[in-house]
Amino acid sequence: DAGITQSPRHKVTETGTPVTLRCHQTENHRYMYWYRQDPGHGLRLIHYSYGVKDTDKGEVSDGYSVSRSKTEDFLLTLESATSSQTSVYFCAISGGGGGADTQYFGPGTRLTVL
Amino acid sequence: GDSVTQMEGPVTLSEEAFLTINCTYTATGYPSLFWYVQYPGEGLQLLLKATKADDKGSNKGFEATYRKETTSFHLEKGSVQVSDSAVYFCALSDRGNDMRFGAGTRLTVKP
Repeated sequence: DAGITQSPRHKVTETGTPVTLRCHQTENHRYMYWYRQDPGHGLRLIHYSYGVKDTDKGEVSDGYSVSRSKTEDFLLTLESATSSQTSVYFCAISGGGGGADTQYFGPGTRLTVL
Repeated sequence: GDSVTQMEGPVTLSEEAFLTINCTYTATGYPSLFWYVQYPGEGLQLLLKATKADDKGSNKGFEATYRKETTSFHLEKGSVQVSDSAVYFCALSDRGNDMRFGAGTRLTVKP
């Protein structure tokens, strides 16, 4: 299994509070991704990174920001959480970033915004 | 934009039954196609993939063939087991940063 951990695994917070989720990898992969999983939508890409300090937006980036100061860590921040951001968040990594490259997923973080 | 449509679930089968989960895609380029599986409480795991037309991906008794003429990548298994109970996701990627997933199909296999 790819060495990917996510923290926390579960979080309950209140509307308007800031939240940061962490993804840590031990594979030295260049590409890292944040997805959200919602019923009926599969997984949707929030942001991704193609190197230290290099990030770009995905399909559903509004309300989220990311940072990558080290190869192994990719942080997802909700500046002011809303109930619509209640979801399960997955981090993924890949080595090359090409279309044929497999993405390896972490165990997920279940976030509830009250 | 690129998209994936897969059959809605849930799907319930008896052990040793034949499984088909349909997946069709829309893409402007020549994407790679994937099937991922998610067991309860876990992240997604790659099940199989195909990178060009007519390629067949296979793993653990599951198979899927990349059909460009019908824009499909249907997942099949000849004899399912209880341990195959999971949610299955079809996905495509033209570039690695744009992977698109279907909504997922929940499979339950009963003894």
